[in-house]
Amino acid sequence: QVQLVESGGGVVQPGRSLRLSCAASGFTFSSYAIHWVRQAPGKGLEWVAVISYDGSNKYYTDSVKGRFSISRDNSKNTLYLEMNSLRPDDTAVYYCAKDRIHLWLAWYFDLWGRGTLVTVSS
Amino acid sequence: DIVMTQTPLSLSVTPGQPASISCKSSQSLLHSSGRTHLYWYLQKPGQPPQLLIYEVSNRFFGVPDRFSGSGSGTDFTLKISRVEAEDVGVYYCMQSIQPPLTFGGGTKVEIK
Repeated sequence: QVQLVESGGGVVQPGRSLRLSCAASGFTFSSYAIHWVRQAPGKGLEWVAVISYDGSNKYYTDSVKGRFSISRDNSKNTLYLEMNSLRPDDTAVYYCAKDRIHLWLAWYFDLWGRGTLVTVSS
Repeated sequence: DIVMTQTPLSLSVTPGQPASISCKSSQSLLHSSGRTHLYWYLQKPGQPPQLLIYEVSNRFFGVPDRFSGSGSGTDFTLKISRVEAEDVGVYYCMQSIQPPLTFGGGTKVEIK
């Protein structure tokens, strides 16, 4: 079954760190770029970051640059999001999403995980 | 950043009737390659978003043909020819011509 499963969310105090994981199955993980997209409670969608299929290219939205780091381990079919200096406005459901095109960066997604909730609160 | 503006905010539709959602971008989404980087997603209640339409008018696998996308440049439309109960949710347009990828604010579709 083709799927993405996020984990690692939880409640964290402002200024602390958290690492999210996204486990892939049912497709050749190492051949696709993967994105992180987040959704604050009751709000719309916000793209966060993307990593190319081989990990050589990474892009971030401005609000997380210098604080978040995207990485992947293709031997484990797993994507990561290291989040540092967390702020209350980082509170959201974080989705990983598979890029559409094999061995390329098409900049849109055709498969989403169910998300993991991160709550930043004291 | 490119701003994506969707209208209306919400839509209440009788089953079997058509529905239309507008999406306008603050810059042209036409790439020099000739492709236009405009996408439509549907987030059903309690679910992650799912891809409906890519590059303005191409239906993704398994998307019913009652869904159609059109438009060019900065003005785009998603149409549902005959709304069904399973179409309820929030519809988002998204641009990817330049990072950061940005989404419209969403249009909530409900059944009357």
